[in-house]
Amino acid sequence: QKEVEQNSGPLSVPEGAIASLNCTYSDRGSQSFFWYRQYSGKSPELIMSIYSNGDKEDGRFTAQLNKASQYVSLLIRDSQPSDSATYLCAVNQAGTALIFGKGTTLSVSS
Amino acid sequence: SAVISQKPSRDICQRGTSLTIQCQVDSQVTMMFWYRQQPGQSLTLIATANQGSEATYESGFVIDKFPISRPNLTFSTLTVSNMSPEDSSIYLCSVWDREAFFGQGTRLTVV
Repeated sequence: QKEVEQNSGPLSVPEGAIASLNCTYSDRGSQSFFWYRQYSGKSPELIMSIYSNGDKEDGRFTAQLNKASQYVSLLIRDSQPSDSATYLCAVNQAGTALIFGKGTTLSVSS
Repeated sequence: SAVISQKPSRDICQRGTSLTIQCQVDSQVTMMFWYRQQPGQSLTLIATANQGSEATYESGFVIDKFPISRPNLTFSTLTVSNMSPEDSSIYLCSVWDREAFFGQGTRLTVV
């Protein structure tokens, strides 16, 4: 059974702080790793994708991947109240459906 | 990027009836998937919709309950059959085109 694990939260951070979201996965054959943001009542939207070990930065977002530890994380710098949402970690092998974690709820207070 | 039109966006249905959800993509895609998101939960894969052949269902989901059609590379339907209140969820279609794209979702309430 392929599994993706996340802390459900809620994770609460003050505005301007760094939010750190973590995810582990069970399938060593996983090749692609994604972070989606989902606002209540909306469909998931892609925030970051990462495919190789190391860090990938895009604006305020940094994804980190460690395949040896089967671990992927998302850092959000200068957190804003608009970042308050559920963040879903998802992984897959090439040509297969994404497997999602249960999501971490982030709350950024102003 | 792929643009997906999913309808209906929401519906309230009587138990024992069926609802068919449609998913139209603006380009030809090989991989289409159907997910369910129960209240407060993450996305669970129902099945992979294969063009020209039967869908591939995940454990816990069966064709009689969730029949799927995929007549071409831009269109798919999911039917939720003989509905019960436990089927109240958001249903999402998704396509894979170097990343996953999602339809707007169908919020189903069974009463």
